[in-house]
Amino acid sequence: GENVEQHPSTLSVQEGDSAVIKCTYSDSASNYFPWYKQELGKRPQLIIDIRSNVGEKKDQRIAVTLNKTAKHFSLHITETQPEDSAVYFCAASEGKLSFGAGTTVTVRA
Amino acid sequence: DVKVTQSSRYLVKRTGEKVFLECVQDMDHENMFWYRQDPGLGLRLIYFSYDVKMKEKGDIPEGYSVSREKKERFSLILESASTNQTSMYLCASSPRLAGDTDTQYFGPGTRLTVL
Repeated sequence: GENVEQHPSTLSVQEGDSAVIKCTYSDSASNYFPWYKQELGKRPQLIIDIRSNVGEKKDQRIAVTLNKTAKHFSLHITETQPEDSAVYFCAASEGKLSFGAGTTVTVRA
Repeated sequence: DVKVTQSSRYLVKRTGEKVFLECVQDMDHENMFWYRQDPGLGLRLIYFSYDVKMKEKGDIPEGYSVSREKKERFSLILESASTNQTSMYLCASSPRLAGDTDTQYFGPGTRLTVL
């Protein structure tokens, strides 16, 4: 089955700086790569996703890049704000989602 | 707006008890999923279902079973709860069959403690 590794496990950034989270996957058949944000005590919610026919996607301060050859994808958050503090999960799908272990992002005011 | 609800936010059970976790979605989604979430391990898939009365094992099905008698409802059953099943359980649904996986919508989670 699919194996997704996510790094780093924790990330602390100064407000206004950028945050980058990286994930690698093992199954070259995976074709869908969503990112979920989970605030403390709340359910995971999709923030952005990318499919295998696209290399990059951007939505305001959030962007995701995909390198199919290297089997890795990354989440970029620019101009971080305190409300970006949360746990972020990457996932890869070859039919069903396999999640990374999560990254706890803390934005320092 | 998609709504996925779970029967309990918090549940405390004794070792050996039979436990039922219920999940209901109101968007006529074909696919439903049960995950458990543990610190440092992310979300791990227990069971999923693509249609009524259909079920498929996920990555960690041992000690669990499921039931899907109606399209909107997917139940997770712990036949004999054990302390290592203490966890956060998350239900999710999605509108499309695997192969072109669409967004999964999550419920609020059930925090289960087995004493």
